[in-house]
Amino acid sequence: GAVVSQHPSRVICKSGTSVKIECRSLDFQATTMFWYRQFPKKSLMLMATSNEGSKATYEQGVEKDKFLINHASLTLSTLTVTSAHPEDSSFYICSARPADAGGAFFGQGTRLTVV
Amino acid sequence: KQEVTQIPAALSVPEGENLVLNCSFTDSAIYNLQWFRQDPGKGLTSLLLIQSSQREQTSGRLNASLDKSSGRSTLYIAASQPGDSATYLCAVNDYKLSFGAGTTVTVRA
Repeated sequence: GAVVSQHPSRVICKSGTSVKIECRSLDFQATTMFWYRQFPKKSLMLMATSNEGSKATYEQGVEKDKFLINHASLTLSTLTVTSAHPEDSSFYICSARPADAGGAFFGQGTRLTVV
Repeated sequence: KQEVTQIPAALSVPEGENLVLNCSFTDSAIYNLQWFRQDPGKGLTSLLLIQSSQREQTSGRLNASLDKSSGRSTLYIAASQPGDSATYLCAVNDYKLSFGAGTTVTVRA
C-alpha cells in the first residue's frame, strides 16, 4: 500500500519556539494533504486541508498564523507550530490523498510536547 | 456538517469472542468510509475501505458493512485475539475525512 512518512515522531520544545513537522508521500503524488490534531481520548480534529501550490484551507477555530501549512510539492507538506505554548501539546497526524481519490493514507503521527 | 458517532466507546471481551463495532453518520452523501486501527500513542492503520457503491468489504477476520441510506457501518472482527486490542476509528469521506471518537477494544486472554 501507499506509504506516508511523518517526521519527527516525537518532539519536545520550549515555550515560544517553533516546531516544523513534515509529511511526505513516498510512493505516490498527493494533490491534497490533511492535517489533524488528536486530543487524549478524543477523535481526530481536522485542522486544515492543503492543496499543492495553493494556500491551505483552515477549519473554523484553527489559527492560521499559529499553524502554518506549506504544501510545496506533490509529495511534501509541512506544518509549523509557531510560538508554541503548552496547550499546543498534542498528537498531530497528517494524511495524503492520491490524485485518483479513494482512501487517504496516514502518517504515523507526531507527539508534540511543549514545556 | 458531517457528524460521526461510534458506539460503544469501549468494549472488553474474552479471547475468541466476535466483536461488533458500530459507526453512524448524519450525511449520506459520501464517497467512501474507512475503518482504522490505532494503537496507543501510534498513528493510524487503515483496515478496510468501503466505496459508497459497495455493501461490504472483507479482509481476513475483518468484515465491514455499509448501509449508506441509513448512515450506518458495522465492523465485525471474528474470533478476537489479544492482539486485536486497540482503538478502532471509522472515518467518513465526503471529501474531508470526518472521524468518530473511536471504540477502544480490550480482548482478554
